[in-house]
Amino acid sequence: DSGVTQTPKHLITATGQRVTLRCSPRSGDLSVYWYQQSLDQGLQFLIQYYNGEERAKGNILERFSAQQFPDLHSELNLSSLELGDSALYFCASSVEVAGAHNEQFFGPGTRLTVL
Amino acid sequence: KNQVEQSPQSLIILEGKNCTLQCNYTVSPFSNLRWYKQDTGRGPVSLTIMTFSENTKSNGRYTATLDADTKQSSLHITASQLSDSASYICVVRDTGRRALTFGSGTRLQVQP
Repeated sequence: DSGVTQTPKHLITATGQRVTLRCSPRSGDLSVYWYQQSLDQGLQFLIQYYNGEERAKGNILERFSAQQFPDLHSELNLSSLELGDSALYFCASSVEVAGAHNEQFFGPGTRLTVL
Repeated sequence: KNQVEQSPQSLIILEGKNCTLQCNYTVSPFSNLRWYKQDTGRGPVSLTIMTFSENTKSNGRYTATLDADTKQSSLHITASQLSDSASYICVVRDTGRRALTFGSGTRLQVQP
């Protein structure tokens, strides 16, 4: 158990809909990362938040957005869903201390199926 | 464009044998390189993290090497076990955008 929690575990929805994925980082970790992993594909970095502020951006679509709240939990919002958005969405957290390795701890993922 | 390429794409070995996985990257400026193990349907778990000045790092039966000059890394698994069956992912972080670039992974299957 990494200490990172994600809800829901599974999500099934229809094209055009909007969903929200939730992530709670490990206690003490200030940074949250979001990743997308399509079937049999590698992990794609979407976005990173640090202490409530966006820190780095990857290949995140404009239809997707994220935020980190004062209690450090994060939400990833996916809108106007398409069939191709079906994937595993992982959240990871790290301490993000300057000069340190800052290992990322991954949650169990949310499996999104768009029908 | 930052890229991380891994080889082979998949590998089958017999239990008890050793194997080496390769990672080539073009990420610049380089910050660190990580190897992760990912069981099917589960989140990745970190095996090693190496910075520019580190050439070798071990974690039990896993040993990672880094050649920052040639931008190559390898992950050597010794005396493989059935539980080593997983995808192994090479990830490189740059100091500029602070973003992570993931390789597509090597899928390892250890057979009895």
